[in-house]
Amino acid sequence: DTGVSQDPRHKITKRGQNVTFRCDPISEHNRLYWYRQTLGQGPEFLTYFQNEAQLEKSRLLSDRFSAERPKGSFSTLEIQRTEQGDSAMYLCASSLAWQRSSYEQYFGPGTRLTVT
Amino acid sequence: GIQVEQSPPDLILQEGANSTLRCNFSDSVNNLQWFHQNPWGQLINLFYIPSGTKQNGRLSATTVATERYSLLYISSSQTTDSGVYFCAVEQDGGTSYGKLTFGQGTILTVHP
Repeated sequence: DTGVSQDPRHKITKRGQNVTFRCDPISEHNRLYWYRQTLGQGPEFLTYFQNEAQLEKSRLLSDRFSAERPKGSFSTLEIQRTEQGDSAMYLCASSLAWQRSSYEQYFGPGTRLTVT
Repeated sequence: GIQVEQSPPDLILQEGANSTLRCNFSDSVNNLQWFHQNPWGQLINLFYIPSGTKQNGRLSATTVATERYSLLYISSSQTTDSGVYFCAVEQDGGTSYGKLTFGQGTILTVHP
């Protein structure tokens, strides 16, 4: 399967614990995005990378959230000191991009986080 | 930021019926995509259509960028078409290259 993959698919954690999610984009894609989706809403942008550079972070991304893409391939999203409000589906997407132009985004299956 | 409105919010059909979903956006866009979200949460790409018309089987889409709207047509609907349909746009001229802003979605239910 050459699509976007995410791991784990489901995560249940207790409030206050740290969690880390992984995303493997489509191999030739240089741009990688993270989105968050809560129940009944459309996905909302969190952050994106062009190769290994993190170019923007949404105001939704509090200081407890950090994302990396160390070698321009896979990416990790870490949430520290989780809160119940962090419960959501975390979606990763990737695309080709050239300078200001970006192309079709493809999404992974998501990681569903439940904070108890 | 750009606003994206989808209508109707809910749509219930009998199998075999046709339907039209609408997406209005408040500013110029570089990119517009339609997605179908399945019951497991996976977003399935339907169309990448910043302008013009495309068709794929029973589905077709039209984007009129100058009038800031897009339409998704589903013909001869099947129960497997059920799910949530999202429109997502990338604002033109912004600083966030590639960032998609999603609408609230249209929940489609097709009864046998």
